[in-house]
Amino acid sequence: DQQVKQNSPSLSVQEGRISILNCDYTNSMFDYFLWYKKYPAEGPTFLISISSIKDKNEDGRFTVFLNKSAKHLSLHIVPSQPGDSAVYFCAALDAGKSTFGDGTTLTVKP
Amino acid sequence: DTGVSQDPRHKITKRGQNVTFRCDPISEHNRLYWYRQTLGQGPEFLTYFQNEAQLEKSRLLSDRFSAERPKGSFSTLEIQRTEQGDSAMYLCASSRGDRVDYGYTFGSGTRLTVV
Repeated sequence: DQQVKQNSPSLSVQEGRISILNCDYTNSMFDYFLWYKKYPAEGPTFLISISSIKDKNEDGRFTVFLNKSAKHLSLHIVPSQPGDSAVYFCAALDAGKSTFGDGTTLTVKP
Repeated sequence: DTGVSQDPRHKITKRGQNVTFRCDPISEHNRLYWYRQTLGQGPEFLTYFQNEAQLEKSRLLSDRFSAERPKGSFSTLEIQRTEQGDSAMYLCASSRGDRVDYGYTFGSGTRLTVV
């Protein structure tokens, strides 16, 4: 069973608008949640994280929201830029290791 | 520090051969991870080390896979008697065990093709 799910394989938004990427999880023992961005031919790059005891964390244009009751988190990018076009992975941390979702490909159109 | 280095970047091997990959983590990082990624999927956990101790190995990993991290520095991942299903991108990552909120730093990966 997949403990971390990203149900939207792709998302397309216009430059300057908001991008919202979603992630659901099933394991209540996850204590940190993280987002990574991946460009082709490179490894994933860490973007932002949130502790399970918080419901929001912000870093510049990136904000992550956590809804523990719904076991759902989302990444908001405002404003979106063409350079944000990449694959975004949600990950959840438990007992020292991270479990990743299958990613959402974000395309930001100029 | 140049980040996490993986060698080789690409490896093509015949089915049944053994292959070994190397990972050099960021020197201040005490944790090192191996993941495998196939097309359209997220990274799948294989194993991880804290210093030289291997703390966990995925139950999905067969006995043909072995990893080492001698002296808590670089790590090697060996696959014996490769099969076509082993074709994938093998990613290494490192992190600080005391700052999990900083996430992992990944290398660029080793792409394995078994023919």
